[in-house]
Amino acid sequence: DGGITQSPKYLFRKEGQNVTLSCEQNLNHDAMYWYRQDPGQGLRLIYYSQIVNDFQKGDIAEGYSVSREKKESFPLTVTSAQKNPTAFYLCASSIPPTGTTDTQYFGPGTRLTVL
Amino acid sequence: KNEVEQSPQNLTAQEGEFITINCSYSVGISALHWLQQHPGGGIVSLFMLSSGKKKHGRLIATINIQEKHSSLHITASHPRDSAVYICAVKRGTDKLIFGTGTRLQVFP
Repeated sequence: DGGITQSPKYLFRKEGQNVTLSCEQNLNHDAMYWYRQDPGQGLRLIYYSQIVNDFQKGDIAEGYSVSREKKESFPLTVTSAQKNPTAFYLCASSIPPTGTTDTQYFGPGTRLTVL
Repeated sequence: KNEVEQSPQNLTAQEGEFITINCSYSVGISALHWLQQHPGGGIVSLFMLSSGKKKHGRLIATINIQEKHSSLHITASHPRDSAVYICAVKRGTDKLIFGTGTRLQVFP
């Protein structure tokens, strides 16, 4: 079955620790995205990557870092510099947005709680 | 003011009722998406629209480009339709802009 996997579903970390969230897709999509979801707010874009070894900052990139060494994988690191890291994190992928037909496919999400 | 506004924020219905969720946006767009987020958090894409109307099963989505407005309708609602419905718009090849979602609960 093709799809996007995120692990783990729930993650707890102590304040001041870096944590890496996993995102893997086997849809052969070039573009991948990381979003953050907070109560009462729409999804906000953290980082996105349209091709391997390239990525761009989204609207709220401060305190986060990413890598895109493989087409299938786009891990997100939440660093200790992120002031309010507790949130629900969603990964998505799509065929490159060269037109308007870029439906994004979402993973199940990781709920990060920083204690 | 958010570029994408959804109404209502919360909606409750009895099984069988016809449901309408609205989305208004303030920017020029190339496409509008309707998404469904299940209680567990996973998101599924329902529709992508650039004009007119689309139907899939009991779901119907319409868009009026001149009025910058879209509606999602659910006919013969069922408790399994309970979810958060999210509207998102795309400007050209730019990123998606998401609404805050409409939480729907359908009771038997």
